[in-house]
Amino acid sequence: GENVEQHPSTLSVQEGDSAVIKCTYSDSASNYFPWYKQELGKRPQLIIDIRSNVGEKKDQRIAVTLNKTAKHFSLHITETQPEDSAVYFCAASPNTNAGKSTFGDGTTLTVKP
Amino acid sequence: EAQVTQNPRYLITVTGKKLTVTCSQNMNHEYMSWYRQDPGLGLRQIYYSMNVEVTDKGDVPEGYKVSRKEKRNFPLILESPSPNQTSLYFCASSFQQGDLHEQYFGPGTRLTVT
Repeated sequence: GENVEQHPSTLSVQEGDSAVIKCTYSDSASNYFPWYKQELGKRPQLIIDIRSNVGEKKDQRIAVTLNKTAKHFSLHITETQPEDSAVYFCAASPNTNAGKSTFGDGTTLTVKP
Repeated sequence: EAQVTQNPRYLITVTGKKLTVTCSQNMNHEYMSWYRQDPGLGLRQIYYSMNVEVTDKGDVPEGYKVSRKEKRNFPLILESPSPNQTSLYFCASSFQQGDLHEQYFGPGTRLTVT
């Protein structure tokens, strides 16, 4: 089955700096890669996603990149703010309809004011 | 308002006593899933459903059952709960059409099995 590895497990940055979280996957059949943000005590929220026919996608301060050959994808957050502090999860799915999905173990991002 | 609801939100039970956690969505989404979340392990998918009467196993289905008799409901059943099923459970529903993809999680159910 699919295996998703996520690094780093914790990340601390100064407000205004950029943060990068990386994930690798094992199953070449995976073609949909969402990212989630989970604030403390809250439910996960889908914040951005990318499909295998696209190399990069951007939404305001967040962007995702995908390298299908190397089987890795990354989340980039620019101009970080304290409210970006949360746990971020990557996931991989073999279809774009969120059927079977495998998550990474999460990255705890702390943005220091 | 788009909503995924779960009940109960908190449950303490004893080993072997059958229980059901309900999940309901009001968005007419075809896809629904159950996940468990344990410290340091992220979210692990238990079961998912592509539509009414269509379900399949996720990564950790052992000890769980699901059913999808109606599009809006996707209950999670623990026939004989054990302490290793103590966890935080999330239900989710999702929709995809072209480049549009939306997914919503329920508020979570914290289950303790003693």
